[in-house]
Amino acid sequence: KQEVTQIPAALSVPEGENLVLNCSFTDSAIYNLQWFRQDPGKGLTSLLLIQSSQREQTSGRLNASLDKSSGRSTLYIAASQPGDSATYLCAVRRSSSNTGKLIFGQGTTLQVKP
Amino acid sequence: DAGVTQSPTHLIKTRGQQVTLRCSPKSGHDTVSWYQQALGQGPQFIFQYYEEEERQRGNFPDRFSGHQFPNYSSELNVNALLLGDSALYLCASSYGLVSDTQYFGPGTRLTVL
Repeated sequence: KQEVTQIPAALSVPEGENLVLNCSFTDSAIYNLQWFRQDPGKGLTSLLLIQSSQREQTSGRLNASLDKSSGRSTLYIAASQPGDSATYLCAVRRSSSNTGKLIFGQGTTLQVKP
Repeated sequence: DAGVTQSPTHLIKTRGQQVTLRCSPKSGHDTVSWYQQALGQGPQFIFQYYEEEERQRGNFPDRFSGHQFPNYSSELNVNALLLGDSALYLCASSYGLVSDTQYFGPGTRLTVL
């Protein structure tokens, strides 16, 4: 059974810091991995998607890496801003046919202080 | 272009009651998935609908059922509500069964007293 874990559960940093969020998964047989952002009481917004054949993806100040063999992914946020405060969730998809069934971690709640 | 919409926004029910939540997918999307997100947890997959049929189901009891209409909108029904059903219910839509891109709605916050 695939399990996804995110550490830490919460993180508070001053504005301008670079930071890393961690995601680990128990079964390396994944199709892809996504990082989402969730603002309080809101839905999810996809930030980055990494296919199983890729090592990393970048979008602006965000960089996500994937190491299937070790069952790990990291989300790197450069020069953090107060607007980055949110909960960040990683999710894995197990196969090309299970398009809807994403398995999520419990999330890391980030607070960036001005 | 409207994204995924869900109604109602908030709902309060008592134990034993039944509830229906609604979802309209993003324009052009034909596949709808439902997730339950308990407070402080990640979303858990409930089921997915495509061509008006349930295609996949997560580890949820039969009290959770759904429906998809010809216009691709969907309903989630929960019978015999339990306190533990209190959660944010998220709907996600995509085009086809194999798309990597899912768009999530804002969710319906269900409180069971």
